[in-house]
Amino acid sequence: NAGVMQNPRHLVRRRGQEARLRCSPMKGHSHVYWYRQLPEEGLKFMVYLQKENIIDESGMPKERFSAEFPKEGPSILRIQQVVRGDSAAYFCATSTDRNRANVLTFGAGSRLTVL
Amino acid sequence: TQLLEQSPQFLSIQEGENLTVYCNSSSVFSSLQWYRQEPGEGPVLLVTVVTGGEVKKLKRLTFQFGDARKDSSLHITAAQPGDTGLYLCAGEPSPGNTGKLIFGQGTTLQVKP
Repeated sequence: NAGVMQNPRHLVRRRGQEARLRCSPMKGHSHVYWYRQLPEEGLKFMVYLQKENIIDESGMPKERFSAEFPKEGPSILRIQQVVRGDSAAYFCATSTDRNRANVLTFGAGSRLTVL
Repeated sequence: TQLLEQSPQFLSIQEGENLTVYCNSSSVFSSLQWYRQEPGEGPVLLVTVVTGGEVKKLKRLTFQFGDARKDSSLHITAAQPGDTGLYLCAGEPSPGNTGKLIFGQGTTLQVKP
């Protein structure tokens, strides 16, 4: 029973390029949460999605960031025109039940470095 | 904005010593979770406390949720080098079922043999 799968594990981009991070939930999990961990800081909530729906995007920066969870395939966090401040670890967490934050399973993260 | 203040930020102790990590807030949380994160990996859930005053034990780890559900502590007895890692507390804002967590800044624990 594979856990939450994130890829790529490491991604290097130059300023202005696009970054796409993917998250495949655990089997049976239909709720996806994205968190960002900046260096020397705790994890910050970004967005909560269900299949084909964004439920809560209150933690997403207003520009350049978007997320989706299509009917088929993984959830994708997309960062356009990356800047150095976007360098961080991006974690995906998934759960089975609606709004069950206390049963989240985290992936290993995708570490983005912007040169 | 709800915040969770975690202390201490860094802790270096000798094997066999006891330690306590604190998580404090002025806000009420419907639940409080503790995670451990290894370098290069994602957080792994250790425990969830839900009821004010609740105490849970996990081997040498004891977790407590404050009576008012605004604070929590993690106590490790007779720490071992294998306990070394980053410990994170995370609160689910009240009234709950929001689907998101507020994380503390983390406590980096080093246990020296």
